[in-house]
Amino acid sequence: AQTVTQSQPEMSVQEAETVTLSCTYDTSENNYYLFWYKQPPSRQMILVIRQEAYKQQNATENRFSVNFQKAAKSFSLKISDSQLGDTAMYFCAFKRIQGAQKLVFGQGTRLTINP
Amino acid sequence: DVKVTQSSRYLVKRTGEKVFLECVQDMDHENMFWYRQDPGLGLRLIYFSYDVKMKEKGDIPEGYSVSREKKERFSLILESASTNQTSMYLCASSTASGRLRNEQFFGPGTRLTVL
Repeated sequence: AQTVTQSQPEMSVQEAETVTLSCTYDTSENNYYLFWYKQPPSRQMILVIRQEAYKQQNATENRFSVNFQKAAKSFSLKISDSQLGDTAMYFCAFKRIQGAQKLVFGQGTRLTINP
Repeated sequence: DVKVTQSSRYLVKRTGEKVFLECVQDMDHENMFWYRQDPGLGLRLIYFSYDVKMKEKGDIPEGYSVSREKKERFSLILESASTNQTSMYLCASSTASGRLRNEQFFGPGTRLTVL
């Protein structure tokens, strides 16, 4: 079974700073997907960024980028030039390519951006 | 835009009551999911469905059942609510094909309190 671990329950940074959220996972699969989801306070969960394991290039979406280390089974999220609207719970998630379509989530990291 | 709606944002029920949580999606998605979200535990999958009248147990199905009579609607049922089922419940849907097939779209959540 796959597991996903986020070891930082809470983080806090000043606006405009860069912050990195950590995620490690365990799987015996060779091909899979990894995701970062964002859940703002009292708002719906939305997808921030995804990474296919067979792609060596790290995914980027505007101010959001990942550092995907397949051998180390590590998948960190970097937020550059952080904004107040980045304040949210962030969840790392794993999905197999074949078989069931379910996501396996980490415990979440509560990120606060301070003005 | 994909829209996933849930019948209630907040719900308070008494121990032993039968509770229905409804989820509706408007994008003709094949897959639908029910998760519960608890602090420090992330999201855990209760049940999912990949077609009408089809269902699969997730990681924590005990005490829950589901119903999917129509493609757009997925119901979560607590047959006899207990206090340990107090939680945030999130519904999600995804398509089985196409560019977005690996992305799950989430509803706003139902915060259920069982007294």
